[in-house]
Amino acid sequence: SQKIEQNSEALNIQEGKTATLTCNYTNYSPAYLQWYRQDPGRGPVFLLLIRENEKEKRKERLKVTFDTTLKQSLFHITASQPADSATYLCALDKAPLNSGYSTLTFGKGTMLLVSP
Amino acid sequence: DGGITQSPKYLFRKEGQNVTLSCEQNLNHDAMYWYRQDPGQGLRLIYYSQIVNDFQKGDIAEGYSVSREKKESFPLTVTSAQKNPTAFYLCASTGTDQETQYFGPGTRLLVL
Repeated sequence: SQKIEQNSEALNIQEGKTATLTCNYTNYSPAYLQWYRQDPGRGPVFLLLIRENEKEKRKERLKVTFDTTLKQSLFHITASQPADSATYLCALDKAPLNSGYSTLTFGKGTMLLVSP
Repeated sequence: DGGITQSPKYLFRKEGQNVTLSCEQNLNHDAMYWYRQDPGQGLRLIYYSQIVNDFQKGDIAEGYSVSREKKESFPLTVTSAQKNPTAFYLCASTGTDQETQYFGPGTRLLVL
């Protein structure tokens, strides 16, 4: 069956360090992968999308890599700040058969805690 | 100020009662989605709609119903058949790229 795995344990790092979060998947061949940020009691917010033919994508302090051979995406936040503390979700497209469109399947998320 | 609104923020349901969660968007998006999120769990897709008057079941549709009579609105009804309705419910929409999802603030449903 299809599975998306993200570290269930919270990641604790110090301000200024680089945070690296992992998303592994099995039995998927996604056309793209997305990362979202979710704060407690709020809806997720889109951060980055990376396609299957892209190795790396950057946006300000964020970087995402996508290795379709390893079936893994890494999400990096450089020069992390306490305001980056949140849960980060990865999501893969899941196209219903013959639909011409996609829905998303989400991982459970990894909580990041950045201490001053 | 464009976006997705959900109401109410908190909703209490009595045993055997149907309740309806509201989702409205002014982004002119065609596709809308409902997810359920339980503590420590990922988002699970309940229903989605690509166009007005059409909707499809997601992974956990049992005990839920939806309608899509207007482009802007996609209400979700949690019926009495849903035996474990306590959760955080999120509504989302996508634009023409049908990739990036824009989420509302969520409704937390609690059972009395």
